[in-house]
Amino acid sequence: GQNIDQPTEMTATEGAIVQINCTYQTSGFNGLFWYQQHAGEAPTFLSYNVLDGLEEKGRFSSFLSRSKGYSYLLLKELQMKDSASYLCAVLDSNYQLIWGAGTKLIIKP
Amino acid sequence: GAVVSQHPSWVICKSGTSVKIECRSLDFQATTMFWYRQFPKQSLMLMATSNEGSKATYEQGVEKDKFLINHASLTLSTLTVTSAHPEDSSFYICSACAVAEGDHNEQFFGPGTRLTVL
Repeated sequence: GQNIDQPTEMTATEGAIVQINCTYQTSGFNGLFWYQQHAGEAPTFLSYNVLDGLEEKGRFSSFLSRSKGYSYLLLKELQMKDSASYLCAVLDSNYQLIWGAGTKLIIKP
Repeated sequence: GAVVSQHPSWVICKSGTSVKIECRSLDFQATTMFWYRQFPKQSLMLMATSNEGSKATYEQGVEKDKFLINHASLTLSTLTVTSAHPEDSSFYICSACAVAEGDHNEQFFGPGTRLTVL
């Protein structure tokens, strides 16, 4: 079966750095997405990785290792507005998005 | 980026009524649209994949006669929840597939529709 694993909840302090991990087992791989979802709102796109390595975009970076079926989202200089759920999703061989359950990130002052 | 709209944003209705939700791609043509449902504190659950001009493909466990999907044009897909019941209360989100910067296919999400059935 297809499976995406990510922690249910994480807590971090304002101004700090947090890393949210995602491991996946899917039938084929055509890229991995990270989305941010605030409560009561639709997801918004953060990043897309299809090759191994680190993609940096401002305070957010995303890393992928296809051989390990592993990705992480790194958030630096955390702000209170970063409190949200972070969803990992993999595009499988049929170009279907397989979603993780999401990681709820709580930022404390 | 591409913009997807949904209408209405909020719906409150009585049990037994039908509710139609519209999903529009505003500045691009979407041959494929997706309908998701999300219950509180849970992840997105794909309900169906909607292709313009053909029948939708429903995920296992989703009743196609209850959740009617029509994708009549390249910019509009509709989801009709027929004879809605309280257990259908949820956050319904559509997305449309488009080629994003960097040439990868990306799903652009609508803002969602919160359905409450009394």
